[in-house]
Amino acid sequence: QVQLVQSGAEVKKPGASVKVSCKASGYTFTSSHIHWVRQAPGQGLEWMGIINPSGGSTRYAQKFQDRVTVTRDTSTSTVYMDLSSLTSEDTAVYYCARDSRVYSYGYGCDYWGQGTLVTVSS
Amino acid sequence: QSALTQPASVSGSPGQSITISCTGTSSDVGTYNLVSWYQHHPGNAPRLMIYEGTKRPSGVSNRFSGSRSGNTASLTISGLQAEDEADYYCCSYAGNITWMFGGGTKLTVL
Repeated sequence: QVQLVQSGAEVKKPGASVKVSCKASGYTFTSSHIHWVRQAPGQGLEWMGIINPSGGSTRYAQKFQDRVTVTRDTSTSTVYMDLSSLTSEDTAVYYCARDSRVYSYGYGCDYWGQGTLVTVSS
Repeated sequence: QSALTQPASVSGSPGQSITISCTGTSSDVGTYNLVSWYQHHPGNAPRLMIYEGTKRPSGVSNRFSGSRSGNTASLTISGLQAEDEADYYCCSYAGNITWMFGGGTKLTVL
């Protein structure tokens, strides 16, 4: 069965960086794009970026363009999301999610990780 | 980029139908028929309910349906059930391999 398993909760100080991992299993890793979405406390879902695990190409929301880097390791079927220059406004649950369209994108996210809480506090 | 516009809340009684709107622009909802809808119970991961504007993934009840008119997409839930109470989010492709979510709608089943 398809699973996306994320790394555990993190507590970071302002100005630091955080790296969240998302390990995929149960399907061909390179066949499906992976999105990153976050939800701050009391707020809605926010799209952050996408990676094509096949070639490693990425695209980010303009808001995060300068601070986020998404990478993948095909040998371990893992995607990583690195967010730098953290502020308290980055406190949120971060999700990875698989695009349901095979070898392309745009059909919505059918499988999601369990979420990783990142808390930014001094 | 601004978020897509959804009503903050909607409500309905069991058995009734409700519709949640999602208003974008001609740069996203109006151009691309790639709107998806998610059901989100707090503490759980979101669940895909509709993709490509009108299609239901396997396992999603046919009580859920999607539509689009111009720059506005809509999610209709018929035969409301208590378990439908959740937050609902629309999400649209916005070009250049980017997406945007709506602000979310809290559905209350009375």
